[in-house]
Amino acid sequence: DIVMTQSPDSLTVSLGERATINCKSSQNILYSSTNKNYLAWYQQKPGQPPKLLISWASTRESGVPDRFSGSGSGTDFTLTISSLQAEDVAVYYCQQYYSTLLTFGGGTKVEIK
Amino acid sequence: QVQLVQSGAEVKKPGASVKVSCKASGYTFTSYDINWVRQAAGQGLEWMGWMSPDSGNTGYAQKFQGRVTMTRNTSISTAYMELSSLRSEDTAVYYCARGVEDSSGYYYKYFHHWGQGSLVTVSS
Repeated sequence: DIVMTQSPDSLTVSLGERATINCKSSQNILYSSTNKNYLAWYQQKPGQPPKLLISWASTRESGVPDRFSGSGSGTDFTLTISSLQAEDVAVYYCQQYYSTLLTFGGGTKVEIK
Repeated sequence: QVQLVQSGAEVKKPGASVKVSCKASGYTFTSYDINWVRQAAGQGLEWMGWMSPDSGNTGYAQKFQGRVTMTRNTSISTAYMELSSLRSEDTAVYYCARGVEDSSGYYYKYFHHWGQGSLVTVSS
């Protein structure tokens, strides 16, 4: 299975400051024939199912604020919240869909300082 | 709009089985695989497997092989996930989720649509 490792486990950031979450896959998830990275990012708030934020490592879903951005390729990926807002307090997960056996990262909890 | 509506909370004893349902609406049920993901309290997301509502084909995470069965009833657009030989560690919220199809008709397993979750509690 492809192992997804997120860091840090938790993050405390001041309002308006940048939050950066890392996700590393145990093997390459860039599909060479399409040049696409098979990586998604989700946001989950308490008592809710996950919400898809980003697919293909960097494609923001419709309606997702542009302060959220994804980057990276191959095995190393980053989710950045450029200016943290109160409503961004949540747990964030990465997920690879390169393999038919899907795997998620362990999650990163983002809180306000 | 696409909706996935799951069955309610269940309390089961160790060794029993549980069957969670996921009723789809707002799209053609047989066109998209249904995946199941679980989450223990305070823990991360764990993918369990997928089922094709069209063919009935399934694929399970190794951890759940032999204990999980995913089925469907196309006449009522409902998918099911049954987990047997329950133990306390299976206490979790279970989600169904649907993947995405692009404009070329290719299907991908990242999830824009999720059910609301079904809490399964295993306790003696």
